[in-house]
Amino acid sequence: DGGITQSPKYLFRKEGQNVTLSCEQNLNHDAMYWYRQDPGQGLRLIYYSQIVNDFQKGDIAEGYSVSREKKESFPLTVTSAQKNPTAFYLCASSIDSPTRTMNTEAFFGQGTRLTVV
Amino acid sequence: SQELEQSPQSLIVQEGKNLTINCTSSKTLYGLYWYKQKYGEGLIFLMMLQKGGEEKSHEKITAKLDEKKQQSSLHITASQPSHAGIYLCGADYNNAGNMLTFGGGTRLMVKP
Repeated sequence: DGGITQSPKYLFRKEGQNVTLSCEQNLNHDAMYWYRQDPGQGLRLIYYSQIVNDFQKGDIAEGYSVSREKKESFPLTVTSAQKNPTAFYLCASSIDSPTRTMNTEAFFGQGTRLTVV
Repeated sequence: SQELEQSPQSLIVQEGKNLTINCTSSKTLYGLYWYKQKYGEGLIFLMMLQKGGEEKSHEKITAKLDEKKQQSSLHITASQPSHAGIYLCGADYNNAGNMLTFGGGTRLMVKP
């Protein structure tokens, strides 16, 4: 079945460590996104990628890094520079790259809950 | 996001009752998306409403977009426990596909 998969579901990080969250999709989608969710604040865009080997910063990119070496994969690294990394992270993909005029829905993964210990 | 306000923040209703969730934008909308989230899980797409104003229904859920007010409402008729979850509206401000700005969410609980 086609879908978008995030792993792990739960992740614990010690202060000062980098951690990488995985996001894989087999929907043949061009565009992929990373969002962060905090209670009462909705979702905020961290990074997005319209095509392989290209990505752009979203609203809250500081302390995060991404790569897009393959169409199917868009891993997110939470670096030690991210001062408040504890949050729920959601990855999404969509069939059209963001500059298309036709709007289609994004498909979301099940999320990764990151906790700093 | 202050650009997109959802209300109420939380809602408890008795099973069988109707309810409405609102999403108000301070900027012009190109599109408005509604998603549902079970706590700690991903988002499930419900509906997308286009600029210009429209109304869509799916099963017992109806969503409307009022272009004049830049406001969308999500109405659930005869609520069931399966409707419980967090409802999020997402705004497309740039006509740029899916780089959405999300509201803070409405947590819905349905009492059997």
